[in-house]
Amino acid sequence: EAQVTQNPRYLITVTGKKLTVTCSQNMNHEYMSWYRQDPGLGLRQIYYSMNVEVTDKGDVPEGYKVSRKEKRNFPLILESPSPNQTSLYFCASSAPGQGKNTEAFFGQGTRLTVV
Amino acid sequence: LAKTTQPISMDSYEGQEVNITCSHNNIATNDYITWYQQFPSQGPRFIIQGYKTKVTNEVASLFIPADRKSSTLSLPRVSLSDTAVYYCLVGDKIYNQGGKLIFGQGTELSVKP
Repeated sequence: EAQVTQNPRYLITVTGKKLTVTCSQNMNHEYMSWYRQDPGLGLRQIYYSMNVEVTDKGDVPEGYKVSRKEKRNFPLILESPSPNQTSLYFCASSAPGQGKNTEAFFGQGTRLTVV
Repeated sequence: LAKTTQPISMDSYEGQEVNITCSHNNIATNDYITWYQQFPSQGPRFIIQGYKTKVTNEVASLFIPADRKSSTLSLPRVSLSDTAVYYCLVGDKIYNQGGKLIFGQGTELSVKP
């Protein structure tokens, strides 16, 4: 089954304690990205990656890091989390294409609370 | 990337047809129109994608006029389970914008019994 898997689904942490949210896809997609969703602000892209070792900033990259060492994995790293990073996070993957739908597949979400 | 404008919210009743229109005046020649559905606390889910005229699948229809400056997502005979936020995205299909999808504020559809 085609899927994007995020872990953990829920996380409560303290300010300043480094954390990593993992994301893995099994569709051999080139593109992967991270979003955060906050009430009233919608879905905002944090980082995206067009392929292994190729990453770029989205609209709200401050306070986040990513890496793409393998095609299937795209972890999101918060080196020093702060309360304003409390949010619902989604990972997505997609692929270029011609002659077929090129939809993005999203993970189940990670609800992060930083206290 | 073309900017999109949708109504913020819509109300409907079960069994009715719902049409959500999206405006994208600056759509480029290579751009496709894609709609996503999102339930609370879940990731967006692809509904339908099209370039021009009409596209239909088992879930919805997408109507795109000749000038492509707008599009209409049509949901036939909605049920309570169609209550969700619907997003219209416009972008290059071939390169899929390199994964840089831009979500607007979407349309919050509320279906009442």
